[in-house]
Amino acid sequence: AQSVSQHNHHVILSEAASLELGCNYSYGGTVNLFWYVQYPGQHLQLLLKYFSGDPLVKGIKGFEAEFIKSKFSFNLRKPSVQWSDTAEYFCAVKGTGGFKTIFGAGTRLFVKA
Amino acid sequence: KAGVTQTPRYLIKTRGQQVTLSCSPISGHRSVSWYQQTPGQGLQFLFEYFSETQRNKGNFPGRFSGRQFSNSRSEMNVSTLELGDSALYLCASSSRGEGRGDTQYFGPGTRLTVL
Repeated sequence: AQSVSQHNHHVILSEAASLELGCNYSYGGTVNLFWYVQYPGQHLQLLLKYFSGDPLVKGIKGFEAEFIKSKFSFNLRKPSVQWSDTAEYFCAVKGTGGFKTIFGAGTRLFVKA
Repeated sequence: KAGVTQTPRYLIKTRGQQVTLSCSPISGHRSVSWYQQTPGQGLQFLFEYFSETQRNKGNFPGRFSGRQFSNSRSEMNVSTLELGDSALYLCASSSRGEGRGDTQYFGPGTRLTVL
């Protein structure tokens, strides 16, 4: 069965600090991988996605993620966070042959100004 | 293109009542999925519809049901509401719901409170 594990439930950083949020998944086949972000009071927005090709994908607002197939991981990174990055971040996995997207439990990021 | 829209945005119901939530997908999208979001459980998949057919269902009781219309609009219904059904219900649409490159786009959700 598919599953997604996000390692940190809460992260607190100061502005300009670097960010890395871990995501590991369990699935036996080819996957589509996503990171979504939910800012306070707003709906889920797509941050970035990986389908195939270059395992390092770049998304909006300076975020990037690296797919490491051997580790079943898709970690999210940002070199320097801003106060406006305060949000909840969700990693999601969907098998290319399936209809169900599985989400991780989410990581709440708080950036101190 | 207009995004995914959900109505109503907020609902307050009492235990035992039933509720119907509506979702209009992005124009051209034929797959609609529903999720329940709660602080303790995160996003839990409810079901997915494509061309009026339910293709996948999550682990929710039969009180949760849905349907999709020919114009791809979808509704979900919860009967005999329980306190634990209080949650944000999210709808997501995608073009075909499967295959490489298919991406879901989410609506703002319906906040259901059961008293």
